[in-house]
Amino acid sequence: DQQVKQNSPSLSVQEGRISILNCDYTNSMFDYFLWYKKYPAEGPTFLISISSIKDKNEDGRFTVFLNKSAKHLSLHIVPSQPGDSAVYFCAAPSGGGKLIFGQGTELSVKP
Amino acid sequence: DTEVTQTPKHLVMGMTNKKSLKCEQHMGHRAMYWYKQKAKKPPELMFVYSYEKLSINESVPSRFSPECPNSSLLNLHLHALQPEDSALYLCASSQDFYEKLFFGSGTQLSVL
Repeated sequence: DQQVKQNSPSLSVQEGRISILNCDYTNSMFDYFLWYKKYPAEGPTFLISISSIKDKNEDGRFTVFLNKSAKHLSLHIVPSQPGDSAVYFCAAPSGGGKLIFGQGTELSVKP
Repeated sequence: DTEVTQTPKHLVMGMTNKKSLKCEQHMGHRAMYWYKQKAKKPPELMFVYSYEKLSINESVPSRFSPECPNSSLLNLHLHALQPEDSALYLCASSQDFYEKLFFGSGTQLSVL
């Protein structure tokens, strides 16, 4: 049972345009979400998070939106840059130190 | 210092070898983790240590043996691995559960 889902395995965007990465979850008890970015052969790096008491959190070019009623969150990157090309994982803590990851979306930003 | 340091970066071992992966953090984090990641898949949790005590073992085979000598160090001892154990092994730490994880750059392990 996949509690955190990223249904798009890949996304290709032109440099300067907006990238929108989507994530759905099934467990209504999740109250905190994180986005990680991963380059090949490196560890994931934390990007941005959002608590369920908010519906938006912004950090520079990165904004995460949370729609609790739809159990959906999205990561917006504006403007997209070639260095943003990576795999993006959304994740939710499920208790006891377990972090449930989505399957990831590979973003490719073309110059 | 916001780094989690893992050594070695690369490791090739035979199925009869014994080796160890090492992880170190100096952020005062109380939770430390081992994850395994295959290419283009999400990280899979293996072990969680909280205050130097093992709190989660995700039914990992006994050929993987974790050790937490102190609050800054985490080891993963490997013995009699199989080729399917080849993967990127990631260490992570967090201030506490529900806090963001800081990941190391990983050890790329190949089992021949």
